[in-house]
Amino acid sequence: DSGVTQTPKHLITATGQRVTLRCSPRSGDLSVYWYQQSLDQGLQFLIQYYNGEERAKGNILERFSAQQFPDLHSELNLSSLELGDSALYFCASSVASEGELFFGEGSRLTVL
Amino acid sequence: AQSVTQLGSHVSVSEGALVLLRCNYSSSVPPYLFWYVQYPNQGLQLLLKYTSAATLVKGINGFEAEFKKSETSFHLTKPSAHMSDAAEYFCAVRSAGGYNKLIFGAGTRLAVHP
Repeated sequence: DSGVTQTPKHLITATGQRVTLRCSPRSGDLSVYWYQQSLDQGLQFLIQYYNGEERAKGNILERFSAQQFPDLHSELNLSSLELGDSALYFCASSVASEGELFFGEGSRLTVL
Repeated sequence: AQSVTQLGSHVSVSEGALVLLRCNYSSSVPPYLFWYVQYPNQGLQLLLKYTSAATLVKGINGFEAEFKKSETSFHLTKPSAHMSDAAEYFCAVRSAGGYNKLIFGAGTRLAVHP
């Protein structure tokens, strides 16, 4: 158990819909990262937050957005969903100075 | 920009044989390097990390990796494969842009057969 909690574990929805994925980092970790894992793209970095502020942005679509709340949990919002958004979405957290990410078990999104 | 290349998307070994998973990196600064393992339907688990201390790094489950600057490599090895080692392995480099973003390779799926 990494200490990173993600909900829901599985989500099935239709094209055009909007979903929210939630992540609770390890106790004491201020940084949260979101990654997307798909068969054709591999593990792609989406976005990072540190103590509530956005710190780095990767290959995140404009239809996607994220935020980190004062209690340090984070949410990834995916809207106007397309079939190609079907993937495993991972959240990770870290102590900033260590460089080691701890990953949750992921949220598997299926868009039909 | 940093990048990671994992040679071989699939590797198959016999139980008890040597495991060698290859990783080459590109980095404009001294790299921090990592190996993660992903078992089916699970998240990524850290196997080991290199952070500019000893070049030979020992990790969990009997794995180790050697940092070779001259070859820009960080290959993962295990002397004797076990059936439970079957999983996908990812090499990653810490982004030079700071904030600990990791850039992952495409992954190598390891199969272990009796």
